[in-house]
Amino acid sequence: GAVVSQHPSRVICKSGTSVKIECRSLDFQATTMFWYRQFPKQSLMLMATSNEGSKATYEQGVEKDKFLINHASLTLSTLTVTSAHPEDSSFYICSARDGGLGGGSLSYEQYFGPGTRLTVT
Amino acid sequence: KQEVTQIPAALSVPEGENLVLNCSFTDSAIYNLQWFRQDPGKGLTSLLLIQSSQREQTSGRLNASLDKSSGRSTLYIAASQPGDSATYLCAVRGFGNEKLTFGTGTRLTIIP
Repeated sequence: GAVVSQHPSRVICKSGTSVKIECRSLDFQATTMFWYRQFPKQSLMLMATSNEGSKATYEQGVEKDKFLINHASLTLSTLTVTSAHPEDSSFYICSARDGGLGGGSLSYEQYFGPGTRLTVT
Repeated sequence: KQEVTQIPAALSVPEGENLVLNCSFTDSAIYNLQWFRQDPGKGLTSLLLIQSSQREQTSGRLNASLDKSSGRSTLYIAASQPGDSATYLCAVRGFGNEKLTFGTGTRLTIIP
């Protein structure tokens, strides 16, 4: 259980275009999903927290108008990189929080997707 | 601001050896600490999660310890195998939110 998928796994786009990445929880409902970015040989940096039915919360320094996040259902969140530039090339990973058993939200664990490699030419 | 450091950045050991990976964090007020494995170009696989009230967790050949007061955690891998080659990341979660702060990882290579 607790499987998270991402689509596509790899995408190449031209500078100035937009690209959408999907994150799905396959066997559980995820009220909260998280989007991370990972540059080569660096660690994961949280970009934003996505809550179903409400606006995403962005980390400091992340442009919300450039990285559009939509979490319209309990199993799907999307990240759209608008007007992509070569410096946006990175590995984007999502995670989803399940409901857990008992306790409040602090007890929930995040499950990670396989990542999406974005290359902007 | 929480900072997580992992040393060494890379480690190569012969197959069969036991090894220890280190993780340190600056703010000891954590809710839990988690160890992940990441294969090249892939996502994260959760290995062990230690709650702040726990001292260690074990799964098979893996044992993770947590010393919250000193801001340290170790991941012990027994009888290493070539299949253990990967990057190992630790991440801490603070109180009051679900944000994970990741270390930069240790790239482990097991030499057959």
